[in-house]
Amino acid sequence: GQNIDQPTEMTATEGAIVQINCTYQTSGFNGLFWYQQHAGEAPTFLSYNVLDGLEEKGRFSSFLSRSKGYSYLLLKELQMKDSASYLCAVIQTGANNLFFGTGTRLTVIP
Amino acid sequence: DGGITQSPKYLFRKEGQNVTLSCEQNLNHDAMYWYRQDPGQGLRLIYYSQIVNDFQKGDIAEGYSVSREKKESFPLTVTSAQKNPTAFYLCASTYGQGYEQYFGPGTRLTVT
Repeated sequence: GQNIDQPTEMTATEGAIVQINCTYQTSGFNGLFWYQQHAGEAPTFLSYNVLDGLEEKGRFSSFLSRSKGYSYLLLKELQMKDSASYLCAVIQTGANNLFFGTGTRLTVIP
Repeated sequence: DGGITQSPKYLFRKEGQNVTLSCEQNLNHDAMYWYRQDPGQGLRLIYYSQIVNDFQKGDIAEGYSVSREKKESFPLTVTSAQKNPTAFYLCASTYGQGYEQYFGPGTRLTVT
């Protein structure tokens, strides 16, 4: 089976840095995705980690530790438009299917 | 422009009626997926298809049916057997394992 844990809600200030954590337990692991989802819209891809370490892409970075079953998404220089839900999803070995966490709703305040 | 389309965006039905949600992609992806999202919840997998004429049940397939007669199309039927069909339905597709899933804009189904 699979289990993914993320904080339900977070609040951060415009211009600041925020870290959204994700822990997972899965029988076989073949990568972790982060998606952004604005209310009422489709999720959009942010990052994919399959090896340990940090992947940086502009203001967004994602980190993975497979031995700890842990990932985080780091958002820098927060903007109001970053207010959204951030979904952590893992893919199991041999499967194409993603298993999603419940998501973290981030609110950016002025 | 390549992408995934879902129609309609909003759908209203009476209880007891079957309803079919459309999903079309022109990305030449082999794999397609249907998810359901309830308020404050993550995405839950209903059905998926790795290739034409083949599909598999996901975690919550009861009360749903699908077909995959063409590579581009993966319609989902919500039957009257689905106990709580009101939800936001998302279709997705991908090249394969290790590649991101691309999502359609979603269909919000309300059954009264």
